[in-house]
Order: sequence, then C-alpha cells, then structure tokens
Amino acid sequence: SQTIHQWPATLVQPVGSPLSLECTVEGTSNPNLYWYRQAAGRGLQLLFYSVGIGQISSEVPQNLSASRPQDRQFILSSKKLLLSDSGFYLCAWSLRTSGRATPHEQYFGPGTRLTVT
Amino acid sequence: GIQVEQSPPDLILQEGANSTLRCNFSDSVNNLQWFHQNPWGQLINLFYIPSGTKQNGRLSATTVATERYSLLYISSSQTTDSGVYFCAVERDGGATNKLIFGTGTLLAVQP
Repeated sequence: SQTIHQWPATLVQPVGSPLSLECTVEGTSNPNLYWYRQAAGRGLQLLFYSVGIGQISSEVPQNLSASRPQDRQFILSSKKLLLSDSGFYLCAWSLRTSGRATPHEQYFGPGTRLTVT
Repeated sequence: GIQVEQSPPDLILQEGANSTLRCNFSDSVNNLQWFHQNPWGQLINLFYIPSGTKQNGRLSATTVATERYSLLYISSSQTTDSGVYFCAVERDGGATNKLIFGTGTLLAVQP
C-alpha cells in the first residue's frame, strides 16, 4: 500500500530564516505530487504540482519554491520566510493521469504546521 | 476559475442526528472528492465521486454532475464525526488533477 510522509510535523521559524519541508511517497512510482497551504481558517490553496522529476508548476506567485529531486520526493523551500508564510502545509500525491483520462484520487500527508515569528 | 461553494458553513448536531452537507460548483468537473479534516489536521479521504452515488457505512455521497452539485450524508452522527468537511473538484478537461477546494463545513457533534 502507498504511504506519504511529511516532516517536520511542526516548525517555528523567525522571519527571514530559510525553510525546507520534505515530503516522500512510498509504494508507488511516477506519482503526481502537490503542495497545498491552509492558512488560518479553512481554505486549502494549491501552491505547486509536479508530474515528474524536475518538473514543477507554480500556481500562485509567492515567496516559496518547490523541487523534485527524486521520483517520490517533493521539497518546499524558501530563502527568507515572511510572517504571511505561516500556515499548515500539506503534501499530496495521485497516480499519473494520461491524456484526457479521468483524474485519479488524491491522497494527503499529515501536514507540517509552520509558525513564522 | 471554477468556484466551489459549501453549505452550511457551520453545523452543530446532537449525537445520533442525521445531516446533509452540500457542495455546489460553477463548471463541469471530472473529479470530485469529499474529505474530512480531523482535529489534528489530517485530511481523510471519504469519497471519490465525480458522478453517481456511493455509500460507506454511515456516510454516503451523491454527485449530480449535470446540475453541478454534490451531497454528503451523515447518518447517526457520532462525536468522532466532528471536524471540517471539504469538497474539492477538478475542472473537466484538466489532466493534472489540480483540486480546487471549497471553504468547508465545520461540524460539531455534541454528546
């Protein structure tokens, strides 16, 4: 079966410090990978998605970047954190969709709660 | 972009009561999922239901794609059902499974 891991679970960082959050998926190959953020309140917003190694698409302009150095590893980074980067960051995966086929179900990791002080 | 609206925004139930949560979306979709976010933040998959009806225990869901809405039914609610329920969709024609989330329904089940 497939599992998705995120670390750290919680993080408190000062403004201006760098950030690196990691997500790994086990039990599948060539997944689509996603980073979402949930700010205070409820909405989840897609930040980045990746359909393969080195292939990153950004959904919103921001202070963050993403990288996919290995097939099942997805990293969210920042060079200098802002207060507005605080939130709950969720990584997700799905099977790769081919062409116009119906998309596959998406599964989420446990999340990282980031507080920027 | 596609708009996803959920209602009601908040719901308080007594244990044992039934409820219906609604998700309206503004465009054709080829993917719709219902999630439950527990108090620890974990998003739990409830249903993958771009169309039709599914049931899983006390929960069931129906999506009427032609009328652009989905319903989540919770029967005989329990305190462990508390949390936020999200509907998320992908617009028809997308191939990357980019989900657009609604703002959720916050459910509190009281003993």
